[in-house]
Amino acid sequence: QVTLKESGPGILQPSQTLSLTCTFSGFSLGTYGMGVGWIRQPSGKGLEWLANIWWDDDKYYNPSLKNRLTISKDTSNNQAFLKITNVDTADTATYYCVRENSGLDFTYWGQGTLVTVSS
Amino acid sequence: DVVLTQAPPTLSATIGQSVSISCRSSQSLLHSNGNTYLNWLLQRPGQPPQLLVYLVSRLESGVPNRFSGSGSGTDFTLKISGVEAEDLGVYYCVQSTHAPYTFGAGTKLELK
Repeated sequence: QVTLKESGPGILQPSQTLSLTCTFSGFSLGTYGMGVGWIRQPSGKGLEWLANIWWDDDKYYNPSLKNRLTISKDTSNNQAFLKITNVDTADTATYYCVRENSGLDFTYWGQGTLVTVSS
Repeated sequence: DVVLTQAPPTLSATIGQSVSISCRSSQSLLHSNGNTYLNWLLQRPGQPPQLLVYLVSRLESGVPNRFSGSGSGTDFTLKISGVEAEDLGVYYCVQSTHAPYTFGAGTKLELK
């Protein structure tokens, strides 16, 4: 059974760095074709894909945020991470991680973690 | 970036009515490997999205067969043949052919 769970700080201040963790089970980022992606959704709004990381450590970023995003993984502990630097109120959103599987990319979602950027 | 345009933004339906949602892409979603990575998601209030259809027309396991997807290239459609109360929510198309992946703005299905 595949499960994913996001964790984050809940609230942080503008200009800080947001660190998110996706802890998953039921698959491995050491397996050919597997990846983890991050997607966010401001309250009441649509979905935005941010980045993904693959079994071979390939990484892809949304160009609209690329300079602020860093994605990484810990294969042994079944975790993936996303950092967003210099946050502002526009980064307030629920952040989801998803399992990606070489084209079958949206089957499994975490429940999401709400991040609020506020001074 | 690929722009996905969904229509209509809101859909009002009665139980049992058949409805369709359109998703048009700014460029072809046919991948060089021959697959078309166009998916449909449903997000119910307070829940993460769930996958309904992948690769244009393949139904995700456990999804009722009143849902069907069709299309090719740049034009895609999700059809619900006989809306049920549990189908209410926001429907999104999403493409994973081209990076960055992109989503449509959503279609809210509500009861008339």
